[in-house]
Parts: sequence; structure tokens; C-alpha cells
Amino acid sequence: EVLLVESGGGLVQPGGSLRLSCAASGFTLSSSWMSWVRQAPGKGLQCVANIKQDGTVKYYADSVKGRFTISRDNTKNSLYLEMNSLRADDTAVYYCARDRGGSGDFGSDYWGQGTLVTVSA
Amino acid sequence: DVQMTQSPSSLSASVGDRVTITCRAGQSISTYLNWYQQKAGEAPKLLISAASNFQSGVPSRFSGSASGTDFTLTISSLQPEDFATYYCQQSYYNPYTFGQGTKLEIK
Repeated sequence: EVLLVESGGGLVQPGGSLRLSCAASGFTLSSSWMSWVRQAPGKGLQCVANIKQDGTVKYYADSVKGRFTISRDNTKNSLYLEMNSLRADDTAVYYCARDRGGSGDFGSDYWGQGTLVTVSA
Repeated sequence: DVQMTQSPSSLSASVGDRVTITCRAGQSISTYLNWYQQKAGEAPKLLISAASNFQSGVPSRFSGSASGTDFTLTISSLQPEDFATYYCQQSYYNPYTFGQGTKLEIK
């Protein structure tokens, strides 16, 4: 059974940092593109970042470019999102998701349960 | 980023109704269009990928189609468990982008 379990969310002050982790099981992490997708309270979905199987290619939404870093450790079956210079509008549930297809372009077929990040003073 | 415009933003319908949700891409995305269903408090669920290919386990009342930059999700006969929010997503250009969502409510 494919499982994705996020952790690391919490309350952080504006300007602060947080590191999210996603533990993957039930499949070979190194064979999949992976994504972080967020959802602000009562709002829609936004792809924050995604990363190629070997970690050599990464893409970011403009709103997080330069502040967030996606990474992975296939030996530990883990995906990460390092978030710096956090702002109030980064408040959201952050989901880890597995992307289908060799190029990760056929949708995200498995999602974690999400971890809530709240940026507030 | 590629803009995805979904309509309507909300929809009231009854069990048994046929409903259609539309998504328009701001530029050509071939058929790299996916549909998700999200229920309150849950993660999204992938229903359809590549415009018309439905995921294993998705009921056959769901279908997707494409015409140029316009995409549709059709539910042929609404069931009580279908009341949820639906999102389209383009996966042709990075960063992938979602439509704003369509909330399907019980009339």
C-alpha cells in the first residue's frame, strides 16, 4: 500500500523557517517525480514545487521561488520542503504527492494527509 | 504560469442529475489535463488524467473530454457521494497549475 506521511508543520512567526518532511512507503520513491501542493484555509490548490526522480530538476511556483527549497533523499524514502522567510500568505495545509508518469505529467495519484503550517505573530 | 479558468465556481444539483464542469486553459496544453475530487477535510483524489483517462476504481459515471484548450468533466448521474469540490490541473508546463475549483452542492 502506498503511503505518504507529512510532518513538520506548526506555528511559526513571519520571517521564520520550517522544514517539512514526507515519508514514503509502499513504492520505490526513486521512480517518481514528487510534488508539494498547498491549500490555504478555504481556498484552492496550488503546486508549490516538484522534483525529478534523481533530484536534478526542480520547479517552483513564483510565489515561493527563492524562499522554498524542495529536496529528496531516496535512500531514506523521504521528500522535504525547506521554507524560509515565511509570510502570512504561506499559511496553508501542505500536501506531499506522488506524480504519475515517467515525466510526472499525468497527475498526482497518491497524496498524504497534509500538514498545517500557520504563519502568525 | 498557465492560467486555468474553471466554471462554474459552484453548482447546485440533485441526485441523478447530469452535470458538466468546464476548464479552459490560457494556452495550449495538449491533453495534459487532470481532474481531482476533494471532499471536506480530505486530500484531493485523482479522477481523470490526460483529459479522458480515468483512474482505477473511479466510477464510469465520470468522464472527461477535450476540445482545443477547453476541457470538460461530466458526471452522468450524480450520486450522494459525488458532492464535493472538483479541480482541474494542467501538467504540461511547470509549475503545474490548478483551476479555482467547482463546489458541487446538493439542491
